[in-house]
Amino acid sequence: GQQVMQIPQYQHVQEGEDFTTYCNSSTTLSNIQWYKQRPGGHPVFLIQLVKSGEVKKQKRLTFQFGEAKKNSSLHITATQTTDVGTYFCAGHRTSGTYKYIFGTGTRLKVLA
Amino acid sequence: GAGVSQSPSNKVTEKGKDVELRCDPISGHTALYWYRQSLGQGLEFLIYFQGNSAPDKSGLPSDRFSAERTGGSVSTLTIQRTQQEDSAVYLCASSLLFSPQNTEAFFGQGTRLTVV
Repeated sequence: GQQVMQIPQYQHVQEGEDFTTYCNSSTTLSNIQWYKQRPGGHPVFLIQLVKSGEVKKQKRLTFQFGEAKKNSSLHITATQTTDVGTYFCAGHRTSGTYKYIFGTGTRLKVLA
Repeated sequence: GAGVSQSPSNKVTEKGKDVELRCDPISGHTALYWYRQSLGQGLEFLIYFQGNSAPDKSGLPSDRFSAERTGGSVSTLTIQRTQQEDSAVYLCASSLLFSPQNTEAFFGQGTRLTVV
């Protein structure tokens, strides 16, 4: 079945350092979304990417969707302690049921 | 309501008992999803309802798990003869009808199930 892998699984950074998580799908996606889950919380939507090669920015966060629409990345510039949490990508298949296939997640810890 | 509501928030049950978990999606959202998240792990897809279409049950781990969605709104996830490995947080999410521009999933707070 379709799989969506994320690397790294864990990342510890010093506050102020940059952070990147990568998302890779075994199949082509119609779109990809990113979610953030704070410790003890539930996933919260961050952004959606639809077009091949699309790049979107939200303040210190930069999201990219690969040209082949099978991979994506989230880059955080100058991390802050408020960035702590687990970041998940979620893809929609291009056919069949439109359930979200969530990536394995990257847990980010930011050391002050 | 303003968001996705799940009940109960916590449930402790004895091994072998049946449990029912409830999800009230955002009004008007035709798509409803159930996921399971074990401690420190990712989101495991369980089942997906979309409008009047047959649900996608491909993620249900065994025949002890079933789900219904009545009237296109409230959903109930039932686990029969619970086992300790069923212990996890069960998350429900809803979204509007699929469209490239509008498929954000809104999650509930989850039900933490502990089987003792």
